[in-house]
Amino acid sequence: AQTVTQSQPEMSVQEAETVTLSCTYDTSESDYYLFWYKQPPSRQMILVIRQEAYKQQNATENRFSVNFQKAAKSFSLKISDSQLGDAAMYFCAFLTGANNLFFGTGTRLTVIP
Amino acid sequence: NAGVTQTPKFQVLKTGQSMTLQCAQDMNHNSMYWYRQDPGMGLRLIYYSASEGTTDKGEVPNGYNVSRLNKREFSLRLESAAPSQTSVYFCASSVTLQNYGYTFGSGTRLTVV
Repeated sequence: AQTVTQSQPEMSVQEAETVTLSCTYDTSESDYYLFWYKQPPSRQMILVIRQEAYKQQNATENRFSVNFQKAAKSFSLKISDSQLGDAAMYFCAFLTGANNLFFGTGTRLTVIP
Repeated sequence: NAGVTQTPKFQVLKTGQSMTLQCAQDMNHNSMYWYRQDPGMGLRLIYYSASEGTTDKGEVPNGYNVSRLNKREFSLRLESAAPSQTSVYFCASSVTLQNYGYTFGSGTRLTVV
């Protein structure tokens, strides 16, 4: 069975500082994809970043980067130079060839001015 | 530039009533999905449609039916609503099952009293 665990229900960060959100997953698959989604108060689910499991290089999108540790089944999200607009729920998600996108329970990020 | 459109955005039902949630995408995506989001539980897949004419059960299909009307539209029906179906419902679409990430609608908040 696939599981995704986000052990931090809430996190906070000072504006302009860096924060890391944790995610671990469990699977027997060898080929899969990992995602981080952002959900602001508007409820819209917004794709932040994507990582293919076969790629060793960590994905980066502007201020967002991941630390992908395949052996440890860990996929953390680092947000640099945090901005007020980064405040949201963040969901880690995992996609296998069986087509289901499994989500973690989310981390609520607060950005302190 | 609409992406994925869900209607309605809010709905209140009485126990035992039926209703259909509508979803349409204009990105020519092959696959479509229905998720529900409950507090502390992330998003869970209800049903999905890999392509026009096919539908399959996800993690939590009981109490729901779906119809892939054409390539653009994928509806979710509650035949006899129950309070346990109070949730936020998201429709999503993607180019293929293994994909570059899903595009989500803005959600429907459903309350069953």
